[in-house]
Amino acid sequence: SYVLTQPPSVSVAPGQAARITCGGNNIGSRPVHWYQQKPGQAPVVVVNDDSVRPSGIPERFSGSNSGNTATLTISRVEAGDEADYYCQVWDRSSDQRVFGGGTKLTVL
Amino acid sequence: EVQLVQSGAEVKKPGESLKISCKGSGYSFTSYWIGWVRQMPGKGLEWMGIIYPGDSDTKYSPSFQGQVTISADKSTSTASLQWSSLKASDTAMYYCARQEGGSTYLDYWGQGTLVTVSS
Repeated sequence: SYVLTQPPSVSVAPGQAARITCGGNNIGSRPVHWYQQKPGQAPVVVVNDDSVRPSGIPERFSGSNSGNTATLTISRVEAGDEADYYCQVWDRSSDQRVFGGGTKLTVL
Repeated sequence: EVQLVQSGAEVKKPGESLKISCKGSGYSFTSYWIGWVRQMPGKGLEWMGIIYPGDSDTKYSPSFQGQVTISADKSTSTASLQWSSLKASDTAMYYCARQEGGSTYLDYWGQGTLVTVSS
C-alpha cells in the first residue's frame, strides 16, 4: 500500500515560515491535500489538489508538489496556526485514500 | 449550507454491536462519496472506507475490511458505520466526511462520534 511520510513535529517562531513535508513514491504525479486539525476539532482542509486554497483559508497557506515530496508552507506563522497537519492522497492503483502520519506544528 | 451531523458518543462493552450515523443536509446526498476516518486517542487520522450513496458502491481500507460495515440510506440521507463485535481497540473518535465532487479531498466533516469500549 502507498505510504506517506511526514515529520512528527515542526517548530517555528511567530512571523517566520513553516514548511511541512509529505514524502511518497512519485507523489508529484498525484494530487495532494492538506488538513489542519486543532485540539478537540474535526480536520479542516487548508490546501487541496497540491496548491488550491479553499475559500476562507488565509493566503499564508500554500502548497507545492514535485518528485517525491509535497510541501505545505505557512508564511508569517501565527500562534493560531498551532495544530496538527495531515497530508492525504488517493492511490489510484489500490483505489485507496491514504493519510500521512501527521505533523504537530508548534509556534515558539 | 452543507452539514454532516453525527450521532452522539457511545460507551459499549467488548463484544457488543454498534451502529453510528452521519446525516447529510444542504446538498444532494446521493451525488457525493462519504468517507469514514478513525482517530485513536492521541494518534493520527486513519482512512477506513468510503461509500457512494447513489448506488451504495463501497470501498474499504484493507486494515478495516471485514472489521466494520459501511452503509447508506438514501431515504434519510444518512451514512452509517457499524460493528458486530466491538473490541477495546475500537475506542476512538470516528469522523464522517464528504468527498468533494471533482476531486479526492474531504471538504466537509462531521463533528465526530466518540466510541468508548470498556468492560
